[in-house]
Amino acid sequence: KAGVTQTPRYLIKTRGQQVTLSCSPISGHRSVSWYQQTPGQGLQFLFEYFSETQRNKGNFPGRFSGRQFSNSRSEMNVSTLELGDSALYLCASSLEAGSYEQYFGPGTRLTVT
Amino acid sequence: AQSVTQLGSHVSVSEGALVLLRCNYSSSVPPYLFWYVQYPNQGLQLLLKYTSAATLVKGINDFEAEFKKSETSFHLTKPSAHMSDAAEYFCAVKDTGGFKTIFGAGTRLFVKA
Repeated sequence: KAGVTQTPRYLIKTRGQQVTLSCSPISGHRSVSWYQQTPGQGLQFLFEYFSETQRNKGNFPGRFSGRQFSNSRSEMNVSTLELGDSALYLCASSLEAGSYEQYFGPGTRLTVT
Repeated sequence: AQSVTQLGSHVSVSEGALVLLRCNYSSSVPPYLFWYVQYPNQGLQLLLKYTSAATLVKGINDFEAEFKKSETSFHLTKPSAHMSDAAEYFCAVKDTGGFKTIFGAGTRLFVKA
């Protein structure tokens, strides 16, 4: 069974631009969570989607948004990029919302210049 | 509110020596507890999980952890370190029925030949 895939793996953007990251969960998994990982703040929860609905949200500004499609694939969008948005963005999939077992993708490394 | 504290941002051991990575948690309800490993430029891989069954949990690659409620600890151990164990390790907590997983700051393990 294929694991969680994230595209692109690396991305360089400039301040003020917007970016969209994609995550395809493991086949059969219906929940997708997003995390931001930085050296200073560590791993922080962004949001979780299940059945195309956002189920939970972390403490991030409204510039960070996401969505989930009917095939469970998810995208996250960051608008008006700031230098501090440079991070590794990790996606995790699980069978159901609130499942304790999550499977992580390799992440998308976003660099904002 | 839940929280996780990992004692020691860096731990260095010799190959063949005991590995001990410390994790203390705070949770108002019985928690689910996890240890993840992250290799460079990769996502997180689940090592083991505690879900209120046996307090001594065995994971992959000979890692194990013991849940001690009285000490609110969930330390990770491995009897004999291998060079391939060099990575960053994250302890995480999730309350039963919750949607958020809270991660510790991580401990980077160095293994000396």
